[in-house]
Amino acid sequence: AQKITQTQPGMFVQEKEAVTLDCTYDTSDQSYGLFWYKQPSSGEMIFLIYQGSYDEQNATEGRYSLNFQKARKSANLVISASQLGDSAMYFCAMREFAYNTDKLIFGTGTRLQVFP
Amino acid sequence: DTEVTQTPKHLVMGMTNKKSLKCEQHMGHRAMYWYKQKAKKPPELMFVYSYEKLSINESVPSRFSPECPNSSLLNLHLHALQPEDSALYLCASSQDYSEQYFGPGTRLTVT
Repeated sequence: AQKITQTQPGMFVQEKEAVTLDCTYDTSDQSYGLFWYKQPSSGEMIFLIYQGSYDEQNATEGRYSLNFQKARKSANLVISASQLGDSAMYFCAMREFAYNTDKLIFGTGTRLQVFP
Repeated sequence: DTEVTQTPKHLVMGMTNKKSLKCEQHMGHRAMYWYKQKAKKPPELMFVYSYEKLSINESVPSRFSPECPNSSLLNLHLHALQPEDSALYLCASSQDYSEQYFGPGTRLTVT
């Protein structure tokens, strides 16, 4: 079964608008971390934001916020005031701490295109 | 500074060649990783080194051979690769079990 599901293969948003990229996850572990990465066409994976399973507040980093709904097992990324430079592939990922492992489990990604 | 560097940026090699990919980080991170990424797919973990010791090998074929000479350096030695090994190879590092920081990658083409 998929542990990380990103159901939107592609999304379009107009510049200056907000956009939400969906991510749902599946784990029986109580302690885990959720990550979002951005990958422009150049190839580098850029870390954007992190949410721990015990964090009560939604994580925010500048224009990025993570809408964490633990009961629904969702960790959606919200990008406010989109910019042309936000056009990229976005990956949601999870680490399950109970297994004391360094493994990150990635979703299949969402390609975001920002148009003027 | 959250920089991970990788060399070379691009590499073209024949199936009988031997080449190496290099990765370096100066953040004092304890763990370093190699990933393989095919076009339009998420990265696939290959190897993890923790405190310079190999801790995870995701059943990678022996034609890929990792090496961690010290806590800042990670190499991936390539020998007798196949065309299907053509991909973007990403290196990453992390401290504890926190976020991983990735390098810019090496685009490998096997002819």
